[in-house]
Amino acid sequence: DAGVTQSPTHLIKTRGQQVTLRCSPKSGHDTVSWYQQALGQGPQFIFQYYEEEERQRGNFPDRFSGHQFPNYSSELNVNALLLGDSALYLCASSEGWGTYEQYFGPGTRLTVT
Amino acid sequence: KQEVTQIPAALSVPEGENLVLNCSFTDSAIYNLQWFRQDPGKGLTSLLLIQSSQREQTSGRLNASLDKSSGRSTLYIAASQPGDSATYLCAPGGRGSTLGRLYFGRGTQLTVWP
Repeated sequence: DAGVTQSPTHLIKTRGQQVTLRCSPKSGHDTVSWYQQALGQGPQFIFQYYEEEERQRGNFPDRFSGHQFPNYSSELNVNALLLGDSALYLCASSEGWGTYEQYFGPGTRLTVT
Repeated sequence: KQEVTQIPAALSVPEGENLVLNCSFTDSAIYNLQWFRQDPGKGLTSLLLIQSSQREQTSGRLNASLDKSSGRSTLYIAASQPGDSATYLCAPGGRGSTLGRLYFGRGTQLTVWP
């Protein structure tokens, strides 16, 4: 049973560019959440997708957007990259009912130069 | 707004010691609470999940307790091993309009030396 997968593993971008990160949830999960983890900090919630809609959003600017596809996979898009966007981006999946136990992927390390 | 604090921030112990990691949170209206471990530069591995109606959960050498009314959770690690070295994160989960959202502090960085 495959767990949560994310791609790419690492990414280097220049300020002002745009980036797309991808996530495939654990088999049987229909809810995907994205988190940003800066160095030395705990993860911060960006947003959550369920039934192809954004259900919740944390305190992140509109430069951060996402999408969920019919197969429950998800993308995180960041426009107009800033140096401060450098972080580990984590995807978590869960069932949209019951215990809501969250399972995390290995993350994508984004470096903005 | 949920605020999570973990004490101590760092802990360095010899192999074999029994450990206590503390977590406090400001909003007791939680749906559940998860404990995770994170190895450097890696994703989060779920260790234990405690539902809001439960008092504790156990898995192997790990035991987590929850006192929701006082906003506290404790992770006990028995007979620590060098392989336990990692950062441990506690994450209370929101409920209602924030169901499924986890709130994190900075974690406790644990080093277990042989």
